Amino acid sequence: DQQVKQNSPSLSVQEGRISILNCDYTNSMFDYFLWYKKYPAEGPTFLISISSIKDKNEDGRFTVFLNKSAKHLSLHIVPSQPGDSAVYFCAAISLVGTALIFGKGTTLSVSS
Amino acid sequence: EAQVTQNPRYLITVTGKKLTVTCSQNMNHEYMSWYRQDPGLGLRQIYYSMNVEVTDKGDVPEGYKVSRKEKRNFPLILESPSPNQTSLYFCASSRAGGPGPDTQYFGPGTRLTVL
Repeated sequence: DQQVKQNSPSLSVQEGRISILNCDYTNSMFDYFLWYKKYPAEGPTFLISISSIKDKNEDGRFTVFLNKSAKHLSLHIVPSQPGDSAVYFCAAISLVGTALIFGKGTTLSVSS
Repeated sequence: EAQVTQNPRYLITVTGKKLTVTCSQNMNHEYMSWYRQDPGLGLRQIYYSMNVEVTDKGDVPEGYKVSRKEKRNFPLILESPSPNQTSLYFCASSRAGGPGPDTQYFGPGTRLTVL
C-alpha cells in the first residue's frame, strides 16, 4: 500500500507561470515532508522540506504547503523556468521511523 | 566537496554472477541507505544502516546484501543477480539518526542491467 502518492505522472507549464505539484499521504504519523528534484543521469537533490507542525515553508521561488487534515501537500514554483524541468519526488518520514518514503515522482516540463 | 560516490556507474552482467556496487561518502554521516528506482514505482529503499555494523532491511531487500564495516562505505552486494534486479540504484547518506528533517545526499546512481 502506497503511503505517499503523486497521482500526476507529468505536468507541463509555460515559462513564467506557476507550477503546482501535488502529493497525498496516508500515514498520519509522518513528521516531515520533503521534496527532491532529479535530473536525468543524476541523483535526487534536496529541494525543500516542511515540518508537520507548519502549513507553509518558502524558499525563494519554491513554496511547500501542507494541509494535514486533507493529508495533502503541494509544491509551488513561481515563476517556473526551463531549468526546473526535472522529476520531482515527494517524500515523508516519521521521526520514529528510519526511512524516507518516496512517491513515484512527477515529471515537470517547463517550456520557453 | 561533500559528496556520495558510487561505482560503477553502469554495469551489464549476466544472471548469477555475483557483483558489488560500492558507495562512499565523505561527510562523516552515520546513516546510509540504498534505493532502487524503477519506472512507475519511484524510489524504494533496499537496505539502510544507522551506523557502523548496524544494518537493516528496507522495503525491498530480497536478493541483496549490504555491509557497513567502515563509516564512509556501504557496499551493495548481489550474490546471484536476476533480471528483475535490472534497475537504477542510488546510495544516500545523512547525519545521525536517520533522514529526519535533515536531507539525504544522494549519489549519482548506478544503472545495472542483468541479462
